[in-house]
Amino acid sequence: ETGVTQTPRHLVMGMTNKKSLKCEQHLGHNAMYWYKQSAKKPLELMFVYNFKEQTENNSVPSRFSPECPNSSHLFLHLHTLQPEDSALYLCASSVVGGGTGELFFGEGSRLTVL
Amino acid sequence: DQQVKQNSPSLSVQEGRISILNCDYTNSMFDYFLWYKKYPAEGPTFLISISSIKDKNEDGRFTVFLNKSAKHLSLHIVPSQPGDSAVYFCAASMEYGNKLVFGAGTILRVKS
Repeated sequence: ETGVTQTPRHLVMGMTNKKSLKCEQHLGHNAMYWYKQSAKKPLELMFVYNFKEQTENNSVPSRFSPECPNSSHLFLHLHTLQPEDSALYLCASSVVGGGTGELFFGEGSRLTVL
Repeated sequence: DQQVKQNSPSLSVQEGRISILNCDYTNSMFDYFLWYKKYPAEGPTFLISISSIKDKNEDGRFTVFLNKSAKHLSLHIVPSQPGDSAVYFCAASMEYGNKLVFGAGTILRVKS
């Protein structure tokens, strides 16, 4: 239990569906992140939120839409995805400039796009 | 352009021996380096870190070495145990506690 909870753990969707991934952190951190892990590739940073403000969008296609309503919750809205978007999506949180310095990860949401 | 590289996709070691995992980076602005461990169907968990002002950090069986001039770091696990079998990711950051850039990972298998 890392204090970062992701739901759902598994999601299968068609290319025309709209779905959302949810992340919640119970650690009092001020930054939250979405990473994508594809097979045999590095974890790719997608989005960064510091104090609810998006500070980075790492050239992510617009079919991925993040939302951070408060410093404890982060969403990733998905629409008209492609099969190559199938991957493990990981949420993480941290204390920027302080704390223990590391990012705490959730267990991930395994997404399959048919 | 990968800023953090783990050139060995996998490593197999006998139980009780030393495991050495290597990582190279290209961005000289990185100031903080971490190792994460990942089991299947779980998120990465933090293992050990080192800041650029040090060249070694030790925590139990795990030691991380940093060679800034070579832009190289390594993780040593001694002695290796079967439970250490996992994927190990090297990561780097320019700011303490801020976004991490990851390598592709090395699969470690410790044989009993």
